[in-house]
Amino acid sequence: DQQVKQNSPSLSVQEGRISILNCDYTNSMFDYFLWYKKYPAEGPTFLISISSIKDKNEDGRFTVFLNKSAKHLSLHIVPSQPGDSAVYFCAARSGDFNKFYFGSGTKLNVKP
Amino acid sequence: DAGVIQSPRHEVTEMGQEVTLRCKPISGHDYLFWYRQTMMRGLELLIYFNNNVPIDDSGMPEDRFSAKMPNASFSTLKIQPSEPRDSAVYFCASSLGSDEQFFGPGTRLTVL
Repeated sequence: DQQVKQNSPSLSVQEGRISILNCDYTNSMFDYFLWYKKYPAEGPTFLISISSIKDKNEDGRFTVFLNKSAKHLSLHIVPSQPGDSAVYFCAARSGDFNKFYFGSGTKLNVKP
Repeated sequence: DAGVIQSPRHEVTEMGQEVTLRCKPISGHDYLFWYRQTMMRGLELLIYFNNNVPIDDSGMPEDRFSAKMPNASFSTLKIQPSEPRDSAVYFCASSLGSDEQFFGPGTRLTVL
């Protein structure tokens, strides 16, 4: 059973608007969360992370929010740009290991 | 650094054949990970190594899959015999400690 779930396989947003990508997890032992971005024919690349001791982390246009009580993670991209069109993977790690659990990904399409 | 290198980039083989995927991690990284990406399950961790030693292989689907890391700069993932359901993109990633994982471009495997 997947411990990290991304229930929206795809999302389409107009350029300049906000993109919100969601992620849910089941394991309360997860203490570190990341978002990876993947372009076609390339490997995933790290985008932004958040520790479980925080509820928000911001890096430029990208902000990750963590709601531990709901076991929910979200990535906000503001403003969205066509170059943001990619597959976004949410990942989580349990403190004792270097083992990351990935979601199935959300394909974001930002329309010009 | 050239990043994580994987070969081949594409592999097409017939059911029952042996397949070997190769990975060269980033120099100096002490962790190496093998992932498989499918439409249904997203990115799954198959196995990871620390200092060339396999640490967790619980994600390896079955005995047909095996992975080795004979030295710090090379790892292989072997499937013998291959089956059509093994068709997927296989990623290798490396990291230094528990930091960000850097992914290779992947090997797209098609088993006919």
